[in-house]
Amino acid sequence: AQSVTQLDSQVPVFEEAPVELRCNYSSSVSVYLFWYVQYPNQGLQLLLKYLSGSTLVESINGFEAEFNKSQTSFHLRKPSVHISDTAEYFCAVSVQAGTALIFGKGTTLSVSS
Amino acid sequence: EAGVAQSPRYKIIEKRQSVAFWCNPISGHATLYWYQQILGQGPKLLIQFQNNGVVDDSQLPKDRFSAERLKGVDSTLKIQPAKLEDSAVYLCASNLAGGIFQEQFFGPGTRLTVL
Repeated sequence: AQSVTQLDSQVPVFEEAPVELRCNYSSSVSVYLFWYVQYPNQGLQLLLKYLSGSTLVESINGFEAEFNKSQTSFHLRKPSVHISDTAEYFCAVSVQAGTALIFGKGTTLSVSS
Repeated sequence: EAGVAQSPRYKIIEKRQSVAFWCNPISGHATLYWYQQILGQGPKLLIQFQNNGVVDDSQLPKDRFSAERLKGVDSTLKIQPAKLEDSAVYLCASNLAGGIFQEQFFGPGTRLTVL
């Protein structure tokens, strides 16, 4: 069975500082990897995904994540965060197209000035 | 394009009462998912539909939970009778069917409080 571990439940940072949200997964088969973001009082939105190819994937708002197969990790990074990045971030895996996502417990990113 | 619609947004009930949630997926999306998100945890799949057929309901507590998608469009999730531990946000998601992974689009969720 697959599982996802998000190592930090809360990450407080100051505006313009870099941030890394950690995600490790467990699976005996190849996986697809995702980061979803949930802003306050809103639904889950896809931030970025790794399906195949380049192990470094980027989002339109400056986040990036790197798939590391040997370390079974998919950490999310941003070199300089904004107040508007304050949200809950979920890492998720899927083992094949069309199947449900398996989520981690989430990391709350709090950005202050 | 309209997103995934869910109603109600909030519901408060007493334990042992029944409750129903409704979801209308994005038009044309064949696959529909119901997830349960307990406070402090990530969403967990309850049931997955492909059109009006069930693909995966292995984690649905069938003694009290039921779901249907009769015409392959909107769906209803019911809990009867509710327990305190059912307090959670119930999320509906949908995507197109297909070989290459299609993004799942999530609705705003229904927050259920069982007293």
